[in-house]
Amino acid sequence: NAGVTQTPKFQVLKTGQSMTLQCAQDMNHNSMYWYRQDPGMGLRLIYYSASEGTTDKGEVPNGYNVSRLNKREFSLRLESAAPSQTSVYFCASLTGASSYNEQFFGPGTRLTVL
Amino acid sequence: RKEVEQDPGPFNVPEGATVAFNCTYSNSASQSFFWYRQDCRKEPKLLMSVYSSGNEDGRFTAQLNRASQYISLLIRDSKLSDSATYLCVVVLGAGNMLTFGGGTRLMVKP
Repeated sequence: NAGVTQTPKFQVLKTGQSMTLQCAQDMNHNSMYWYRQDPGMGLRLIYYSASEGTTDKGEVPNGYNVSRLNKREFSLRLESAAPSQTSVYFCASLTGASSYNEQFFGPGTRLTVL
Repeated sequence: RKEVEQDPGPFNVPEGATVAFNCTYSNSASQSFFWYRQDCRKEPKLLMSVYSSGNEDGRFTAQLNRASQYISLLIRDSKLSDSATYLCVVVLGAGNMLTFGGGTRLMVKP
């Protein structure tokens, strides 16, 4: 099992460009998440998907859109990138069966917006 | 006020020392608690869950104090490999929304 995979690992964008961050999990998990992590800060939730076909906003959704393509894949789109979106982006998943569940993270995407 | 607060550190300790971190949470309805470990430029990974009665895993002990709304992590006999950032995580209710603290950085020196 690969666990949670993310592509790309690194990306540099110019202000105003768009891009999609891809995430996939092979653990048959119901719930998937997108976080951003800025220097010296914890993880902040951007969007999540409790199950296939549903998505909800998290703490910092502005400037982002998501798609839960199927049970395995959950993508994050930046329509018009801004320097404030320079961050490390982590995708995560968990089974959703109970509260005492481990959340598994992908290796992250390091995004720089110039 | 942040929902989950941690002292960012860094905590600089010598090898073999005992070190403890606290984390406070604001919502008394929180039901599940975890400590995650994050190495530099890596993804967070679950270190241990925190149970009401407290729990131990080798050199690591986690405690929950619901009355004062804090959880703690104690590391005994620190190793160089324990150097990392420790993230406190709280789950509200029976849902799957995890709230992360800002993390506490630990540096263990020879």
